[in-house]
Amino acid sequence: DQQVKQNSPSLSVQEGRISILNCDYTNSMFDYFLWYKKYPAEGPTFLISISSIKDKNEDGRFTVFLNKSAKHLSLHIVPSQPGDSAVYFCAATGGATNKLIFGTGTLLAVQP
Amino acid sequence: ETGVTQTPRHLVMGMTNKKSLKCEQHLGHNAMYWYKQSAKKPLELMFVYSLEERVENNSVPSRFSPECPNSSHLFLHLHTLQPEDSALYLCASSQDPTGIVETQYFGPGTRLLVL
Repeated sequence: DQQVKQNSPSLSVQEGRISILNCDYTNSMFDYFLWYKKYPAEGPTFLISISSIKDKNEDGRFTVFLNKSAKHLSLHIVPSQPGDSAVYFCAATGGATNKLIFGTGTLLAVQP
Repeated sequence: ETGVTQTPRHLVMGMTNKKSLKCEQHLGHNAMYWYKQSAKKPLELMFVYSLEERVENNSVPSRFSPECPNSSHLFLHLHTLQPEDSALYLCASSQDPTGIVETQYFGPGTRLLVL
């Protein structure tokens, strides 16, 4: 049973518009959430994170929102750029372990 | 370039072959990890090594055998694999396995195909 779910395998957005990537989780013990970005032929790289004590964290064009009651988080990219085209993984951790639990990823394509 | 290198980048092997994946980190980290990413599945943690000792084996079949001879090198020895083991195998390292998780640095992965 997947504890972290990214239900949209792909997303296409026009350059300059907002990209919204969604992630749902089931384990209420998760207290730290991360987004990783992966280009083809490269490993995932850390993008942004949020602790469960916050509901928003912003870093430049990237903002992560956390809705604990809905067990949902989202990554907003605005404005989207063609270089943002990549696979975005949501990950969560917490409870008894620091193990990262990943979602399946969403492929974002930003069209020029 | 994340400071974590993996070789080979691509590997095709038969079910009776023995091969090894290599990972090297140049970051002075103390912990190293093997992850598996199958098509349309999440990244799955396989093994964690801290200071060259295995601290986690995530119910991985014995046909996968990790080795960590020192804190900079990590191997994954493969023996009598199955076609369903075809996947991207990612190595990562971090300063401390109990530390902040975003400080895991990933290598580019080895794309493995088992025929």
